[in-house]
Amino acid sequence: EAQVTQNPRYLITVTGKKLTVTCSQNMNHEYMSWYRQDPGLGLRQIYYSMNVEVTDKGDVPEGYKVSRKEKRNFPLILESPSPNQTSLYFCASSALTGRWYEQYFGPGTRLTVT
Amino acid sequence: QKEVEQDPGPLSVPEGAIVSLNCTYSNSAFQYFMWYRQYSRKGPELLMYTYSSGNKEDGRFTAQVDKSSKYISLFIRDSQPSDSATYLCAVSTSNTGNQFYFGTGTSLTVIP
Repeated sequence: EAQVTQNPRYLITVTGKKLTVTCSQNMNHEYMSWYRQDPGLGLRQIYYSMNVEVTDKGDVPEGYKVSRKEKRNFPLILESPSPNQTSLYFCASSALTGRWYEQYFGPGTRLTVT
Repeated sequence: QKEVEQDPGPLSVPEGAIVSLNCTYSNSAFQYFMWYRQYSRKGPELLMYTYSSGNKEDGRFTAQVDKSSKYISLFIRDSQPSDSATYLCAVSTSNTGNQFYFGTGTSLTVIP
């Protein structure tokens, strides 16, 4: 089954404690992206990657890091989380050709930073 | 100014009604327009895609783009309770893996 998986699905942590949210896709997609979704602000792009070792900033990259060492994985790293990073996070992937506009989203990770 | 503006609703309609969902965008460079549907506690899923201006129909759904007024619409005919979800418009400037900009989403409830 074609899918994007994220782990963990729920996470409660404290300010300053480094964390990583993993994302993996099994569709051999070149393009992967991270979003955060907040009430009233919608879905905002954090980082995206067009291929292995190629990443670029989205709209709201401050406080986040990403890496793309393998095509299927695109982890999101919060080195020193703060309460304003409490949000619902989605990973997405798509091809770069053909139906490039069709992003497949993971199930989401709800993060709470206290 | 946000790249894409969308009325958040919520919108509540009786079953069988015609629903109109709308977005406006700011940058005339946007050429690619999408509508995603998001059910509660799920990730968004692509519903419709349109390139440049015009209409596109898929069953009960019609996507419309008016580039002269920077206005995009999604029409749902004969709405069903299963259409109850949040609908997000999205725009992009190119097909080379560029950034996507999403609206805030409109929450729709179709009452049986």
